[in-house]
Amino acid sequence: GAGVSQSPSNKVTEKGKDVELRCDPISGHTALYWYRQSLGQGLEFLIYFQGNSAPDKSGLPSDRFSAERTGGSVSTLTIQRTQQEDSAVYLCASSFARGNYGYTFGSGTRLTVV
Amino acid sequence: GQQLNQSPQSMFIQEGEDVSMNCTSSSIFNTWLWYKQDPGEGPVLLIALYKAGELTSNGRLTAQFGITRKDSFLNISASIPSDVGIYFCAGHPIQGGKLIFGQGTELSVKP
Repeated sequence: GAGVSQSPSNKVTEKGKDVELRCDPISGHTALYWYRQSLGQGLEFLIYFQGNSAPDKSGLPSDRFSAERTGGSVSTLTIQRTQQEDSAVYLCASSFARGNYGYTFGSGTRLTVV
Repeated sequence: GQQLNQSPQSMFIQEGEDVSMNCTSSSIFNTWLWYKQDPGEGPVLLIALYKAGELTSNGRLTAQFGITRKDSFLNISASIPSDVGIYFCAGHPIQGGKLIFGQGTELSVKP
């Protein structure tokens, strides 16, 4: 598609439930990134996929968080046993793998854990 | 890990005023980028800088890539209410890898 698409745009879940957030990157972008943004805060890096390389998971805050990228395109971020502190906007971005290009961000998924 | 120091954290200005914000790093960057995030949206790229000393304009926005390659600034002239949002600087470290983001500058414009 023309831009990075994220779904759902909003998600309210009960504490302890699992959630899945989806990202469709721009066609042709081989690098994909997940960030988390708490209210009024900056961008917290979570995980980075580049082509067929092993993902950079250094930003995942706990083992309740995981992500996969199927077929080098769509990515799913999964949060298990959600906690209230997981409430945030989850942003996905994609870019060309090579060269110093900027990232194109999606509009994010606003997750609220009640 | 590497960090970018972005300042100020927030600004409250009157419509029509000029605005300046900057980012500094302790290490060298190959690229400097400036993003704007509107409420409820993802950040959108405003300006990209690729060479030390480069000065680039995009309408009322002007950004520069510092000569030392460790800093960048963004100026907004004659601010208008739609300039409200969070501005992020970002850079590609010289050793490669993912973009490093600043903590953001939240801009409020009073009509």
